[in-house]
Amino acid sequence: DSGVTQTPKHLITATGQRVTLRCSPRSGDLSVYWYQQSLDQGLQFLIQYYNGEERAKGNILERFSAQQFPDLHSELNLSSLELGDSALYFCASSVWGEGLTDTQYFGPGTRLTVL
Amino acid sequence: GENVEQHPSTLSVQEGDSAVIKCTYSDSASNYFPWYKQELGKGPQLIIDIRSNVGEKKDQRIAVTLNKTAKHFSLHITETQPEDSAVYFCAPMYSGGGADGLTFGKGTHLIIQP
Repeated sequence: DSGVTQTPKHLITATGQRVTLRCSPRSGDLSVYWYQQSLDQGLQFLIQYYNGEERAKGNILERFSAQQFPDLHSELNLSSLELGDSALYFCASSVWGEGLTDTQYFGPGTRLTVL
Repeated sequence: GENVEQHPSTLSVQEGDSAVIKCTYSDSASNYFPWYKQELGKGPQLIIDIRSNVGEKKDQRIAVTLNKTAKHFSLHITETQPEDSAVYFCAPMYSGGGADGLTFGKGTHLIIQP
């Protein structure tokens, strides 16, 4: 158990809908990362937040957004869903700061199915 | 950005034999080299990592070796067991800036034959 929690485990929805995925980082970790895993694209970095601020962006679509709240949990919002958005979504966390390790610990993931 | 290649994509070994997976990267600034193991239905789990000031690190049956000049690092698993069956990913990065996600290789599916 990495200490990172994600809810829900599974999500089934229809095209055009909007969903929210939730992540709680390990105790003490300030940085949260979101990744998407699909068969054709592999594991891809979407976005990083540190202590409530966006720090880095990867291959995140404009239909997707995220935020990190004062209690450090994060939410990934996916809107106008398409069939191709069906994937596993992982959250990871790390203690980030000068002189500290950037090792990322992953949660169990949310499996999103868009019908 | 970092280009990462992993070889082989699938590796089948007899239980008890050794397995080696190689990861090649492009960014010479990379200084942190983790390996992750992903079992079916689970998230990636860090199993070993190495930083660029060392050439080799060992933890029981697993080891990682680094060749910074050639820009590759390898995962070595000895005395393989059925529970080693999983997909393994490398994810080299520059660590110290603190801002960026991991760039993963495409993964190696390790199959341990009984």
